[in-house]
Amino acid sequence: DARVTQTPRHKVTEMGQEVTMRCQPILGHNTVFWYRQTMMQGLELLAYFRNRAPLDDSGMPKDRFSAEMPDATLATLKIQPSEPRDSAVYFCASGSKFTGFTGELFFGEGSRLTVL
Amino acid sequence: TQLLEQSPQFLSIQEGENLTVYCNSSSVFSSLQWYRQEPGEGPVLLVTVVTGGEVKKLKRLTFQFGDARKDSSLHITAAQPGDTGLYLCAGSNSGNTPLVFGKGTRLSVIA
Repeated sequence: DARVTQTPRHKVTEMGQEVTMRCQPILGHNTVFWYRQTMMQGLELLAYFRNRAPLDDSGMPKDRFSAEMPDATLATLKIQPSEPRDSAVYFCASGSKFTGFTGELFFGEGSRLTVL
Repeated sequence: TQLLEQSPQFLSIQEGENLTVYCNSSSVFSSLQWYRQEPGEGPVLLVTVVTGGEVKKLKRLTFQFGDARKDSSLHITAAQPGDTGLYLCAGSNSGNTPLVFGKGTRLSVIA
């Protein structure tokens, strides 16, 4: 059963702490996306990769957010230092190399982050 | 920046009723997708439309892509409690740009 796996599912931390979220895309998918979802803004694209290379990360605050793909089976999103306004659900999604950006996205279950 | 406006934001109806939700933009899209998201889960694709005027049916759900490829609608016939969720539309204007999502319509179907 191929699916996108995200950890942790829930994270509560204090302002100023570092937070790392991890994502295992579906095996064989070559595009990986990080989205943030809030009630006010909906799903916002933070960053995305193709073949592990970052294509665009203009959607995230550069001074505190970083996204990487150390290998084809792992994508990470790091926030340092975290702030209360970062509280949201963070989703990772992957897409098949055969459909490019217009094909189906497969989402993980999300990481719910609460920064106190 | 492409924007997708979805309406209504919230909809609460009785089981058995029909409903339509809308996704509108001033931009032209090469394709448009509809996703459903249930609480605690990620969005799941329902359908992709690519041709202006295209109509696709998925059981009681009917999806339509506008002739000018700027808007889309989702019609649900005889809604059931299992249809409850957040309905998101997402569009891309080319094969090299990632999907942009609307904020969604939150549907509640009461038994």
